[in-house]
Amino acid sequence: QKEVEQNSGPLSVPEGAIASLNCTYSDRGSQSFFWYRQYSGKSPELIMFIYSNGDKEDGRFTAQLNKASQYVSLLIRDSQPSDSATYLCAVKRKTGGFKTIFGAGTRLFVKA
Amino acid sequence: DTAVSQTPKYLVTQMGNDKSIKCEQNLGHDTMYWYKQDSKKFLKIMFSYNNKELIINETVPNRFSPKSPDKAHLNLHINSLELGDSAVYFCASSLPSASGNYGYTFGSGTRLTVV
Repeated sequence: QKEVEQNSGPLSVPEGAIASLNCTYSDRGSQSFFWYRQYSGKSPELIMFIYSNGDKEDGRFTAQLNKASQYVSLLIRDSQPSDSATYLCAVKRKTGGFKTIFGAGTRLFVKA
Repeated sequence: DTAVSQTPKYLVTQMGNDKSIKCEQNLGHDTMYWYKQDSKKFLKIMFSYNNKELIINETVPNRFSPKSPDKAHLNLHINSLELGDSAVYFCASSLPSASGNYGYTFGSGTRLTVV
C-alpha cells in the first residue's frame, strides 16, 4: 500500500462545475496535509494546507480533512480551463524527520 | 527575483559521467530538499538539510551526494550516471518542518537525461 494514494485520473469536468480531488494516507501519525498544483513542465506550487479536521476555504478552493478516515480532499468551485493541471496531495509525518510524502497526483482537465 | 533557483535547467550527459546540480534560495528558509520526479510524475524525497545539517537521507544510491555550504545553498553531485537516473530533480525549501505546518517552495527543476 502506498503511503499517499490518489486516483491518477484524468478527472474531466466542464467549466463552471465543482472538481473534487481525493487523497488517502496510511500513517495515522501524519500531522499536516498539503495540496500542490503542477502544470505540465512546471514545478509544483502550494495551493493550500490543512491540519485540523473539517473544512478550510481559500477563494475557490476548499480543503477537507477527516483524520479518522485518513482522508483529505480538495474541492475547486467554478472550475476554469486554467485549473487544468496535476494536483498533488502531500502529507507531513511527525516521524522520520518530519518527512513530507507526495501522492502520484490526479490530472484534472476542465473543458471549456 | 527568483525565490528558489536551480541550475542547469536541462542536462544531457552520457552514462558514466559525473554531474552537479546547484540550488540557491533567497527566502531565508532553514530547510532545503532534493526531490526526484520520475516519468510517472511521482515526487520522491531524496535528501533534506536543516541549516546545513543532513536530516533526511532516503534510500538513495551513494553515487548521489548532497552538499550544503550554507543554509541558502544545497547542491547535488551525481557520480557514474546511469540511464535510470534520468528524471526531473527539484530543489525545494521551507521554514523548519519541526516547528510548523509549512509548505514548500520549489525550484523550476532540472531535467536530467542520461544517454
